[in-house]
Amino acid sequence: GESVGLHLPTLSVQEGDNSIINCAYSNSASDYFIWYKQESGKGPQFIIDIRSNMDKRQGQRVTVLLNKTVKHLSLQIAATQPGDSAVYFCAEKQGNRTGGGNKLTFGTGTQLKVEL
Amino acid sequence: GAVVSQHPSWVICKSGTSVKIECRSLDFQATTMFWYRQFPKQSLMLMATSNEGSKATYEQGVEKDKFLINHASLTLSTLTVTSAHPEDSSFYICSAPFGTAVNEQFFGPGTRLTVL
Repeated sequence: GESVGLHLPTLSVQEGDNSIINCAYSNSASDYFIWYKQESGKGPQFIIDIRSNMDKRQGQRVTVLLNKTVKHLSLQIAATQPGDSAVYFCAEKQGNRTGGGNKLTFGTGTQLKVEL
Repeated sequence: GAVVSQHPSWVICKSGTSVKIECRSLDFQATTMFWYRQFPKQSLMLMATSNEGSKATYEQGVEKDKFLINHASLTLSTLTVTSAHPEDSSFYICSAPFGTAVNEQFFGPGTRLTVL
């Protein structure tokens, strides 16, 4: 079936370095992508999103890049801080299927560990 | 931003009993809410879409008679795990889209269910 997946299950970075978290998706019809941050024992927290008609979007310390040619999504975190330690999920919005047009499919997640 | 709450935050029950989990949108109305299940070290898996005033839509493989969903009002959806078994132990998370045309979903803090 169609899925959204990640290449790296765990990423360790030094404090102050930049982090890059990758995601591969397979549904070429997806038109909206979101990155979420999930801390242990908590619900996902919205970080940044991007529509399929864009290839880059920047937020505060975060940048999302979308390459539709190879169906690849990445999240870049600048100057990574200890508070960035969490699991990061990419998610894609399904098209207008029966049951709700806002259904999301989540990737497998990447654990980001920030070392002091 | 919009706030979604869940109650309880954690619950321990005996096998064979039923457990109800509430999901509330605190400062906005939600005609649709989503219920996810997350096992340790895994991603969020959509279980069902809760629809205010109508039946929930369940994902393939999710037993509707075991996971009862009731969307009683525009701010409340409940998930009842009936005849709980240890394999139902998981982290249950709800989400609600903010507005009908907006893609962003707000997630609740999750409910940790442990079935003994």
